[in-house]
Amino acid sequence: GEDVEQSLFLSVREGDSSVINCTYTDSSSTYLYWYKQEPGAGLQLLTYIFSNMDMKQDQRLTVLLNKKDKHLSLRIADTQTGDSAIYFCAARSGSARQLTFGSGTQLTVLP
Amino acid sequence: ETGVTQSPTHLIKTRGQQVTLRCSSQSGHNTVSWYQQALGQGPQFIFQYYREEENGRGNFPPRFSGLQFPNYSSELNVNALELDDSALYLCASSGGTNRENNEQFFGPGTRLTVL
Repeated sequence: GEDVEQSLFLSVREGDSSVINCTYTDSSSTYLYWYKQEPGAGLQLLTYIFSNMDMKQDQRLTVLLNKKDKHLSLRIADTQTGDSAIYFCAARSGSARQLTFGSGTQLTVLP
Repeated sequence: ETGVTQSPTHLIKTRGQQVTLRCSSQSGHNTVSWYQQALGQGPQFIFQYYREEENGRGNFPPRFSGLQFPNYSSELNVNALELDDSALYLCASSGGTNRENNEQFFGPGTRLTVL
């Protein structure tokens, strides 16, 4: 089955860019997602990308997809303290019902 | 437009008991998925309901069961609770259009503690 991997921790200074990386194993994954989870809360959908795209930009967020290497990244420009949270990468193949999540990356934004 | 809601927020049970968790899907959404998120891990798919029928199941034992009602709200039932069932249980809803089917919106979760 699908396996999704992420690094566990990332620290950045306020105002810098953050880049969170993710790899997945199933080459038939057609949708790749980024979710944000703040302490004690559910998951907030940030953005997602279809596998026939290389890049998607949405305000401060840029998603890059390298299908050949099965690598996904989320760049947050001008990172703010309010961006401190756990970020989850998730993958879904076209016919699958479920999302397969990574273990999450804890982003800490330092003042 | 109301988002996904879940009840209760927190629950404490003892081993061997049974529990029912509830989820109201986002307005207009006909599909509900349930996930279990253990501490420090990503959510794991339990099952999905579409128009009152189970529509896919993850690697969870039969003591995890569910229902979906005509208004598309859903219940997750867990029998014979075990200590390892302690987790945050998340419900996600998605909609009827192709675009909305690609987007799963999560509720705030129910924190279950099994003692």
